[in-house]
Amino acid sequence: ETGVTQTPRHLVMGMTNKKSLKCEQHLGHNAMYWYKQSAKKPLELMFVYSLEERVENNSVPSRFSPECPNSSHLFLHLHTLQPEDSALYLCASSQNHPSRFTGANQPQHFGDGTRLSIL
Amino acid sequence: GESVGLHLPTLSVQEGDNSIINCAYSNSASDYFIWYKQESGKGPQFIIDIRSNMDKRQGQRVTVLLNKTVKHLSLQIAATQPGDSAVYFCAENKADTGRRALTFGSGTRLQVQP
Repeated sequence: ETGVTQTPRHLVMGMTNKKSLKCEQHLGHNAMYWYKQSAKKPLELMFVYSLEERVENNSVPSRFSPECPNSSHLFLHLHTLQPEDSALYLCASSQNHPSRFTGANQPQHFGDGTRLSIL
Repeated sequence: GESVGLHLPTLSVQEGDNSIINCAYSNSASDYFIWYKQESGKGPQFIIDIRSNMDKRQGQRVTVLLNKTVKHLSLQIAATQPGDSAVYFCAENKADTGRRALTFGSGTRLQVQP
């Protein structure tokens, strides 16, 4: 496989369920990102990992918990979500300079997302 | 606050015509800009980027123009095809500020009429 792969593509869950979203990148990049895309809203950054270290948490509620076990894999653990959390969750990766984080001046490559619906 | 916005939510063009999608940004210190295309059911796909030391960059059938004086960015698509129908996003950032990710605009939907 090539690029950035996200699973599952679709997920329906109740507010009391616990589930996880998975992202895998095959590009050899060293930074990974989670974004939330809601209808008629710009992409919202959630988390950034650089070299497997979380470097940014954009005021995301604690019901979303990211995990980055290695530079190729990123997870988003979900529990007790709310209906307003229904959205498309996108993962991205990029290659950053090893001695300073300048990831935002390199293209980020996105997966096709997980469409999440909260009942 | 800082923002990246798009002038038009929907742009309709005839197949074969040239398309121009515009984007305004408010952070005068932004030095990196990027355009993405998002088709239905897919994630954003990188099209082209430009750094602030340039005012024009060309790719295959696409050209990005940057006007730093008026803080305006545009994407030109030559000979628009039905496969170009999608939502187009501009995004920006200023490197080395500690901000690690791009700020995205809300998108313009391009509709190509046969």
